[in-house]
Amino acid sequence: DAMVIQNPRYQVTQFGKPVTLSCSQTLNHNVMYWYQQKSSQAPKLLFHYYDKDFNNEADTPDNFQSRRPNTSFCFLDIRSPGLGDAAMYLCATSRDLWSGTDTQYFGPGTRLTVL
Amino acid sequence: GQQLNQSPQSMFIQEGEDVSMNCTSSSIFNTWLWYKQDPGEGPVLLIALYKAGELTSNGRLTAQFGITRKDSFLNISASIPSDVGIYFCAGHFRTGANSKLTFGKGITLSVRP
Repeated sequence: DAMVIQNPRYQVTQFGKPVTLSCSQTLNHNVMYWYQQKSSQAPKLLFHYYDKDFNNEADTPDNFQSRRPNTSFCFLDIRSPGLGDAAMYLCATSRDLWSGTDTQYFGPGTRLTVL
Repeated sequence: GQQLNQSPQSMFIQEGEDVSMNCTSSSIFNTWLWYKQDPGEGPVLLIALYKAGELTSNGRLTAQFGITRKDSFLNISASIPSDVGIYFCAGHFRTGANSKLTFGKGITLSVRP
């Protein structure tokens, strides 16, 4: 089945130790997104890639970076995780950004714990 | 910025009952989406609505895109225990080439057997 895959599902890191979360998709979608979701809150967009074009949200901390080496894969790098970065990180894709093609499909998420 | 209002925060119903959830905004949205999220999982798309007035069903779920483009509702008929979860409405607002998805705060649905 075509899908959005996130690995690992659970990640534990230490305060200040860099961590990378992975997302892959078999949908061949042009757009990939990273969201942060804290408990009992809605997902919050961090950034997205339209093909190779990176679009950062204005309030995304510099501590969060992303890489998209090819259409299928997108990575979220947290350079120096703080306790406040513990959250569920969701990857999503959409075929494009135009009307009717921008519906987003989410992966299962990676739960990040910072010790 | 655009905001979506979902209330109440929690709903409790009996198995077999129907339930309706609303989502409203003071701004116009181009697309309305309804997602369900189970604990520890990502949101799963239930229904996507692309035109004002559109009424769409997906099994026991029915959703409508309000005529004013400022609201949407989701109905679940004959609820079952696996309907438990958080239901998010989300809307797309497009300006030029930019398309931004805004989420409501979600409604937690509990179904009593």
